Amino acid sequence: QVQLVESGGGVVQPGRSLRLSCVASGFTFSIYGMHWVRQAPGKGLEWVAVISPDGRDKYYSDSVKGRFTISRDNSMNTLYLQMNSLRAEDRAVYYCAKGPLSGSYCQAWGQGTQVTVSS
Amino acid sequence: DIVMTQSPDSLTVSLGERATINCKSSQNLLYSADNKNYLAWYQEKPGQPPNLLIYWASTRESGVPDRFTGSGSGTDFTLTISSLQAEDVAVYYCQQYYSVPYTFGQGTKLEIK
Repeated sequence: QVQLVESGGGVVQPGRSLRLSCVASGFTFSIYGMHWVRQAPGKGLEWVAVISPDGRDKYYSDSVKGRFTISRDNSMNTLYLQMNSLRAEDRAVYYCAKGPLSGSYCQAWGQGTQVTVSS
Repeated sequence: DIVMTQSPDSLTVSLGERATINCKSSQNLLYSADNKNYLAWYQEKPGQPPNLLIYWASTRESGVPDRFTGSGSGTDFTLTISSLQAEDVAVYYCQQYYSVPYTFGQGTKLEIK
């Protein structure tokens, strides 16, 4: 079955960087688009970024564009989110999610990793 | 960006009764080339990640009980739970995947009366 396991979260000071990872198993990782979605404490879901199966196409929300970079290593079945210039408002649980073969909804989700930005 | 607006923000329904959640998009989500509405519904229970219920506005994901039904087209969509069960207590979100950024609605909290 599909498994997505995020890691790399933690407490970081404003302005610093953090890299999240998401290891995928149970499906052919290299043929699916992948997403990052976040949820701030007590708030709703916010879509962050998506990457195409081959890694060539990447799209971001306005709130993270220019600061965050989504990438993937298909040989390692791993999705990444490099987060630079972190702000207090980036504090959230970050989920990775698998897309379907057709369309770009979030078909399966990991358990999430917590990111806290605080001095 | 496409804005997704759900109503109501919260809903209290008796066990066995029908629950209806609405989702309105600021732009048309029906793509004329394939006649599909690029709209999904998710359920989020406390302490769990979101779970996909419905995609293409009305296609039920595998394993989702048939009491969950998605309907609508263009800019107006509805998620209906035909006979509310205790395990349906959750926050429900709609999401458009017609164009990036793929925006979510603000969520509707469903509780038991």
